[in-house]
Amino acid sequence: ETGVTQTPRHLVMGMTNKKSLKCEQHLGHNAMYWYKQSAKKPLELMFVYSLEERVENNSVPSRFSPECPNSSHLFLHLHTLQPEDSALYLCASSQDRGGMSSYEQYFGPGTRLTVT
Amino acid sequence: GQQVMQIPQYQHVQEGEDFTTYCNSSTTLSNIQWYKQRPGGHPVFLIQLVKSGEVKKQKRLTFQFGEAKKNSSLHITATQTTDVGTYFCAGRRNNNAGNMLTFGGGTRLMVKP
Repeated sequence: ETGVTQTPRHLVMGMTNKKSLKCEQHLGHNAMYWYKQSAKKPLELMFVYSLEERVENNSVPSRFSPECPNSSHLFLHLHTLQPEDSALYLCASSQDRGGMSSYEQYFGPGTRLTVT
Repeated sequence: GQQVMQIPQYQHVQEGEDFTTYCNSSTTLSNIQWYKQRPGGHPVFLIQLVKSGEVKKQKRLTFQFGEAKKNSSLHITATQTTDVGTYFCAGRRNNNAGNMLTFGGGTRLMVKP
């Protein structure tokens, strides 16, 4: 599937580095998401951009900073990360039509991040 | 905050045996979705349930949504090695804005040939 692409697929960074993860969706969707998936925790929703509004999870540390320049692109900027931030970071998109309905989310392949 | 619990965490079955994973929410859900993640892969949408007591089938997979809309189950009949993976449920609360889902911890299914 190539509907949602993520780069890089693997990233190793030191705690003082600054890096960015990129996500692009080719499905014409209007909502995009960042999730963190680690070995010990379920899929944790980090950020949502829906209908051009950002919905932020208050528990996400400020060392993670999202950016959504348009409906097709989503970035996650990383700085001064900790080793416990090592995880698989998944991007997803969906077509949000508002109201109470939910629509399936299409996930990208993820970026495997290791913080040393 | 909302919690979505899944049991069991892991399940080993012999090929041909049945498998069930259960999903329970601490709050009433407006709908629930199920996803499958193959080893090394990413979650892939399987189905969505919306109505109280709803039952849907996809070949050997049967999905149920509880009457109170707080629990759900996925049952696989006569498992095959292609069923290997982690199955996640994901629920949306009635008062959630946008398309925010809370995922359960997943059930990892392993099938012995």
